[in-house]
Amino acid sequence: GDSVTQMEGPVTLSEEAFLTINCTYTATGYPSLFWYVQYPGEGLQLLLKATKADDKGSNKGFEATYRKETTSFHLEKGSVQVSDSAVYFCALSAFNQAGTALIFGKGTTLSVSS
Amino acid sequence: EAGVAQSPRYKIIEKRQSVAFWCNPISGHATLYWYQQILGQGPKLLIQFQNNGVVDDSQLPKDRFSAERLKGVDSTLKIQPAKLEDSAVYLCASSSRASYGYTFGSGTRLTVV
Repeated sequence: GDSVTQMEGPVTLSEEAFLTINCTYTATGYPSLFWYVQYPGEGLQLLLKATKADDKGSNKGFEATYRKETTSFHLEKGSVQVSDSAVYFCALSAFNQAGTALIFGKGTTLSVSS
Repeated sequence: EAGVAQSPRYKIIEKRQSVAFWCNPISGHATLYWYQQILGQGPKLLIQFQNNGVVDDSQLPKDRFSAERLKGVDSTLKIQPAKLEDSAVYLCASSSRASYGYTFGSGTRLTVV
């Protein structure tokens, strides 16, 4: 079945460091891909999305490119801040009869220190 | 617009007791989802509704979990009887069309002792 694999965490970085969180997927057809973020004590928020191959999603300095040839959707940010500390989830949409359910990876915890 | 509302925020029960969670989706969103997020894992779909009909409940443990969405708006998820491994955050989400407009509620954190 469809699945998402994320790099294991936690990821610990200093402020202004470069961030990469790897995500690869297995899916039939052409899913949409998402990154969600969960800040401490808060709910899941959509960070960015891409709906077709070679699309680049971007938001708040984060970006990810839908790579069909490598089935990947890696999250990157050039300079992280302490406020980026959170859990990041990669997800894909699995089409079913009426709409899309999301399939999530296990999440990667990012901790940024000043 | 108002977000997805869930209640209660927290619930602690003993094993073998029953519990119910409530969700009010964003107005006009036809599709409603219940997810279970166990600590340290990503959310897992339990059930998906389109209006008041069930689209996918393949991962719902039907011997103890049940859900309904009367009139295609609010939804309740019930666990009876609860087990220790049901301790998790239960997330409700709604969407207006495939792949887009997905909004999550803040979740209900259930602890079974």
